Amino acid sequence: GEDVEQSLFLSVREGDSSVINCTYTDSSSTYLYWYKQEPGAGLQLLTYIFSNMDMKQDQRLTVLLNKKDKHLSLRIADTQTGDSAIYFCAESSSNDYKLSFGAGTTVTVRA
Amino acid sequence: DVKVTQSSRYLVKRTGEKVFLECVQDMDHENMFWYRQDPGLGLRLIYFSYDVKMKEKGDIPEGYSVSREKKERFSLILESASTNQTSMYLCATRLAGVGEQYFGPGTRLTVT
Repeated sequence: GEDVEQSLFLSVREGDSSVINCTYTDSSSTYLYWYKQEPGAGLQLLTYIFSNMDMKQDQRLTVLLNKKDKHLSLRIADTQTGDSAIYFCAESSSNDYKLSFGAGTTVTVRA
Repeated sequence: DVKVTQSSRYLVKRTGEKVFLECVQDMDHENMFWYRQDPGLGLRLIYFSYDVKMKEKGDIPEGYSVSREKKERFSLILESASTNQTSMYLCATRLAGVGEQYFGPGTRLTVT
């Protein structure tokens, strides 16, 4: 999506932390999401954050939101081979049914 | 758990054929969506239905139409398939309003 940008590829060593970055342009964004797509599967919601939050932690996942810079990141601690997937950043505003997706970041975990 | 199923995982059709992609959900969700996914482009919204018999065009509706006669089923129709419609098609559902969308496994369509 042209309104949401992500880098396309990330390679990380097993056990290290992964950080996936995303920028968006819509200042009225209310909800920001991270979806995961494993090979041959649909998208699965990993986590989301409301725009009035700076950080959300959920087990190995940490989401950071810098609303001033319109920057969202997803940190995966202790990355495992099962974390190899495409990760999509998405945003929506409170008065819009649409989700705008980034192009997706392909994360490859190497041994 | 929400279950979203799509009629085929893989489909091969010829140019000019009429193609039907079916999506069925079992959670009584009002909203249903059709996206196509292409490498480097992410997901792009084709059509959206906010309730039975209701539809709205998304960002790339050209060459597609949809049908929602029953709440649980949302069909995507390619009236005359073309090679540039070769793609992964994803269906999603959502309870009315803003919130999480639940995705089906996708249909990989190849038009030759």
